[in-house]
Amino acid sequence: DAGVTQSPTHLIKTRGQQVTLRCSPKSGHDTVSWYQQALGQGPQFIFQYYEEEERQRGNFPDRFSGHQFPNYSSELNVNALLLGDSALYLCASSLGTGGPDTQYFGPGTRLTVL
Amino acid sequence: AQSVTQPDIHITVSEGASLELRCNYSYGATPYLFWYVQSPGQGLQLLLKYFSGDTLVQGIKGFEAEFKRSQSSFNLRKPSVHWSDAAEYFCAVGLTGGGNKLTFGTGTQLKVEL
Repeated sequence: DAGVTQSPTHLIKTRGQQVTLRCSPKSGHDTVSWYQQALGQGPQFIFQYYEEEERQRGNFPDRFSGHQFPNYSSELNVNALLLGDSALYLCASSLGTGGPDTQYFGPGTRLTVL
Repeated sequence: AQSVTQPDIHITVSEGASLELRCNYSYGATPYLFWYVQSPGQGLQLLLKYFSGDTLVQGIKGFEAEFKRSQSSFNLRKPSVHWSDAAEYFCAVGLTGGGNKLTFGTGTQLKVEL
């Protein structure tokens, strides 16, 4: 049973560029959440996708956008990258949105913005 | 807004010694509570969770946690620490009606001395 997978593992971009990160949820899960974890901090909730729509959003600017596909996989897009966007981006999957069902996290994508 | 406090940034224990990691939350109702562990360069692994019922919950790797409503705490314990337990530990809170969004503490870095 494959767990949550994310690609790429590492990414280096320069300020002002755009980046797309990808996530495949655990088998049987239909909900994907994205978190940003800055160095030395706990993960911060970015947004959550269910039924191909954004259902919840944290305190992040609209430079951060996402998409969910019919197979439940998801993308996180960040435009106009800033140095402060350097972080580990974690994807988590779960079943439904009725409550905080157990979320399973992927290994993350390490984004470095130069 | 809800918040999670992990007062200890770093903790060092000797192998075989007992461990307690503190977690306090701020929220008007009983939240859903989680402990996750993160090894260097890895994603988050769920150790245990509390949704309702027995306030002492058992998790993987010999960990347990106790929910104390009067103290708004959910401390993580282990009777005998192994060197492989060295990692960063995160307490997280989810809310009733809050979908799957998790709010994390800033983490406690555990070092185990041999």
